[in-house]
Amino acid sequence: RKEVEQDPGPFNVPEGATVAFNCTYSNSASQSFFWYRQDCRKEPKLLMSVYSSGNEDGRFTAQLNRASQYISLLIRDSKLSDSATYLCVGSDSNYQLIWGAGTKLIIKP
Amino acid sequence: GAVVSQHPSRVICKSGTSVKIECRSLDFQATTMFWYRQFPKQSLMLMATSNEGSKATYEQGVEKDKFLINHASLTLSTLTVTSAHPEDSSFYICSATPGLLGPYEQYFGPGTRLTVT
Repeated sequence: RKEVEQDPGPFNVPEGATVAFNCTYSNSASQSFFWYRQDCRKEPKLLMSVYSSGNEDGRFTAQLNRASQYISLLIRDSKLSDSATYLCVGSDSNYQLIWGAGTKLIIKP
Repeated sequence: GAVVSQHPSRVICKSGTSVKIECRSLDFQATTMFWYRQFPKQSLMLMATSNEGSKATYEQGVEKDKFLINHASLTLSTLTVTSAHPEDSSFYICSATPGLLGPYEQYFGPGTRLTVT
């Protein structure tokens, strides 16, 4: 079983819609989680950290559910520019980042 | 601030040759640099962690004699793929951390796409 699992998608969503995807992690000792965005053939860029209390940044909301060991990302009022692959990232006890394979999101006009 | 560059951005080489990839932190000193590899539609896989002036720590399954890492200064780390083979074709990404805000503060380079023919 992969340490961080994501639905690869693609999620095809009309512009303006709300989209949510989850990611599950297997290491209950993981302390920190992040969502990164990766455009095609580019490096990943940090989108937001995920806190236990949940956090919101504009149209993006991240939630952490430790009991069920999953992290979610919600995107409201989706834009064409949101099309990308979203990478869920956890951490291990050595502070190494553990990367999911990503969920591909396609926003259609 | 916190810009990391990689060179080259794309390289095509013949099987059996060696390729060197440079990773530079342009506006900060990087106490630690990380080298990742990403195959199509797969997650980033950490290859090795390097600290300036010391030997790199390789992840399990990564051949240290094949992937030579040199972190000679606080702003430069190099990855040399020796005797490259087609299965080494991948997207290689480095990241660097100044180590000021904790271990998760990583800044990524734009990546190097290696194609071995």
